[in-house]
Amino acid sequence: TQLLEQSPQFLSIQEGENLTVYCNSSSVFSSLQWYRQEPGEGPVLLVTVVTGGEVKKLKRLTFQFGDARKDSSLHITAAQTGDTGLYLCAGARGGKLIFGQGTELSVKP
Amino acid sequence: DSGVTQTPKHLITATGQRVTLRCSPRSGDLSVYWYQQSLDQGLQFLIQYYNGEERAKGNILERFSAQQFPDLHSELNLSSLELGDSALYFCASSVGEGGFTEAFFGQGTRLTVV
Repeated sequence: TQLLEQSPQFLSIQEGENLTVYCNSSSVFSSLQWYRQEPGEGPVLLVTVVTGGEVKKLKRLTFQFGDARKDSSLHITAAQTGDTGLYLCAGARGGKLIFGQGTELSVKP
Repeated sequence: DSGVTQTPKHLITATGQRVTLRCSPRSGDLSVYWYQQSLDQGLQFLIQYYNGEERAKGNILERFSAQQFPDLHSELNLSSLELGDSALYFCASSVGEGGFTEAFFGQGTRLTVV
């Protein structure tokens, strides 16, 4: 059983569409991070959310941390082909950074 | 470029063998983390070191061991290798000890056990 459950696992959309990826847990995390990983590369940090209810925007990406600090979402507006990749959420707990299984996003032209 | 260097990038070895993966953290980072990534398991936390001392342990097998040296580079030793150990192994580094401000990942070592 994954401590962090991401949904959906796979997402294939057309360029210009909007999408939301979810990261859920029954546990409380002191912070949640979102990473993007491309094939053959290591994950790259996109954002860290710390406060319950926090919303952070990074250009077309909007990240939200749940009020209870157990879940988070990533919303992408007007997706581009360059957004294609594996999106991973990760929660900090007891000194460890625990990752979800990831959402494989494919944006088609 | 994250500033984290992992060597080698690719490694092919036979079952039963032993290999050593190396990681140089970003300049100034004291923490090093090791992760294993496979298709069916995702990114699994193995172990963390901070300034030479073990700080946290995850799902690391007894056949695996790691250490962090005085110059802060780290090595992950995998022994008695099995086919199921084939995976991408990532090293990450951060300034702090825990709680995670930001972790920077290397490009990984792809291990293939045949």
